[in-house]
Parts: sequence; structure tokens; C-alpha cells
Amino acid sequence: TQLLEQSPQFLSIQEGENLTVYCNSSSVFSSLQWYRQEPGEGPVLLVTVVTGGEVKKLKRLTFQFGDARKDSSLHITAAQPGDTGLYLCAGISSGSARQLTFGSGTQLTVLP
Amino acid sequence: GAGVSQSPRYKVAKRGQDVALRCDPISGHVSLFWYQQALGQGPEFLTYFQNEAQLDKSGLPSDRFFAERPEGSVSTLKIQRTQQEDSAVYLCASSTLTGRGETQYFGPGTRLLVL
Repeated sequence: TQLLEQSPQFLSIQEGENLTVYCNSSSVFSSLQWYRQEPGEGPVLLVTVVTGGEVKKLKRLTFQFGDARKDSSLHITAAQPGDTGLYLCAGISSGSARQLTFGSGTQLTVLP
Repeated sequence: GAGVSQSPRYKVAKRGQDVALRCDPISGHVSLFWYQQALGQGPEFLTYFQNEAQLDKSGLPSDRFFAERPEGSVSTLKIQRTQQEDSAVYLCASSTLTGRGETQYFGPGTRLLVL
């Protein structure tokens, strides 16, 4: 059972548009990570957020961790076709054996 | 490259056959994880090793699944008497022990199809 819910599940937009992906949970996580996965490859880490309310920027990507450390969002500005992929959030719980709990993923397609 | 490698990349098995999936982690990485990713879903945790010790196997779906890492480096995930519901991508990841927010480096996965 997935403890992290991502929305939307699928997103198809035109190049240049902005978008936001949400990751929500009823559980508190000590940290949360965002990954991007392309077909035939494993997930690649984009960012780790640790502190409630934290905001991190990576070029056109902005990541936010909720104040209560239960939710997060990923905002992409001026999306490009190269942003196409499966975006996954993953939480690490306090006291866990470092396993990641992944969300169900958001499949993003950016059309030229 | 010095990334995580997995073999085979693709495996087709007939129902009831045994399969073995191999993971070569990044050299020196203490922690090793196995995940199962069904089509269109996020990965789900299977098991975790710290060196050769299997510290958590709570995610293994049945006793048909067995994992080992005898020398604290290469790991093998074995599935006995495969069933159609075992069809998935099996991902291996390794990491150093850095505490909260550590980075797991994933291999490309083994895509298993059980017919």
C-alpha cells in the first residue's frame, strides 16, 4: 500500500507552460526526495528536502516541503520537452531502516 | 562507469521457473536495497542490506522471494516458482550511510516477464 499519493497521475502540456505536481501523505516524514525516471532506467535523485517549509530551486524546478512534513510539491516553470519523464516523490520515515516509500508517480509529457 | 549495474536487463520466464537477478552496487557502498516496480507505479521496497546483513525483509511479498549479499558487495534476488503477478521491474539501489536524506543510486533495473 502506497502511503504517498501523487497528483495528477498523468500530465500532458505544451512547451513553455508551467505545472505543479503534488505529493501528499497522512504520515510525517523526516525527509522527502523527488526523483525523475526515464523509460528503461532507474530513478535519478533531483532533490532532498529535510526541514518543514523548506523551498529548494534547481534551475526551472522549485521544490517545497510542507510545514508539517507530510506533503510536498514540485513546480516546473516554462516546461521543455526534455522535462518529459516519470516524477516520483519518496519519503524517509523517522526511525526506518532508510527504505524509501515512493508515491505512485506523475507521468509528464511536454509536447514541442 | 561506476554506477549500479544489474543483470540481466530483461528476463522472460515460464510460470513455475526459478529466476535469479543480480545487482552490482557502487564500490564501497554499505547499503543495498531491492525494490519492485509494477507497470505505471512507483517502486515498492522489498529488502535492505547493510554490508552482508539483511536488516529488513519486510517488503518481500512471499517466501518465494529470497535475497542474499554474502560478501557485502554483489547481491542476488531469487524468485522461486515464478507467478504471473511477479512480472515487474526489479530495481537495485546502493548508498553510503549518511543519515537523514541520504542518496540512493539506482541501477537500470531488470524487467521480468512471467508467461
